[in-house]
Amino acid sequence: DGGITQSPKYLFRKEGQNVTLSCEQNLNHDAMYWYRQDPGQGLRLIYYSQIVNDFQKGDIAEGYSVSREKKESFPLTVTSAQKNPTAFYLCASRGDVLGYGEQFFGPGTRLTVL
Amino acid sequence: GNSVTQMEGPVTLSEEAFLTINCTYTATGYPSLFWYVQYPGEGLQLLLKATKADDKGSNKGFEATYRKETTSFHLEKGSVQVSDSAVYFCALSARNMASGSRLTFGEGTQLTVNP
Repeated sequence: DGGITQSPKYLFRKEGQNVTLSCEQNLNHDAMYWYRQDPGQGLRLIYYSQIVNDFQKGDIAEGYSVSREKKESFPLTVTSAQKNPTAFYLCASRGDVLGYGEQFFGPGTRLTVL
Repeated sequence: GNSVTQMEGPVTLSEEAFLTINCTYTATGYPSLFWYVQYPGEGLQLLLKATKADDKGSNKGFEATYRKETTSFHLEKGSVQVSDSAVYFCALSARNMASGSRLTFGEGTQLTVNP
């Protein structure tokens, strides 16, 4: 089945450590996205990529980094510069080239900083 | 810029009650509109969509009509079930290059259906 996988489902990190969240899709989609969701709140865009080897900052990119070396993969690194990283992280992808179709979401990774 | 406003939650209903969750939007150009649903601890699932004015999206008994004159996309269901308990997000994707390819989401509405 085609879809988006995120790993791990739960992640614990000590303060001051960098951590990388995985996102893989086999939908052959060009565009991929990372969102952050805090309890009781909507989604905030961290980074997005519309094509391999290119990505743009979203609304809350500070303290995060990404890479897009392969079409299927869009890993997110949460760096020690992110002051409050505990949150639910969602990866998404979109297949249409015109840019106004729906996005498909992965199951999410819950990051907790200890 | 683009924005989406949803009715404040949480919403609590009894089983078989009628559901309406209001959603209004502000956008440049002619957006596509979406409703997503999120069950506890999971990612978002597309519930329904509409791509032009007067389109009606429908799925699993849920409906929403794209109303350009009132810039609204209200979600409705005639008879809710306990299994409909979830968070519902309204979103838009604007058809212009200035907005890039991002979705703009509302804050979400928590729905709880009691038996």
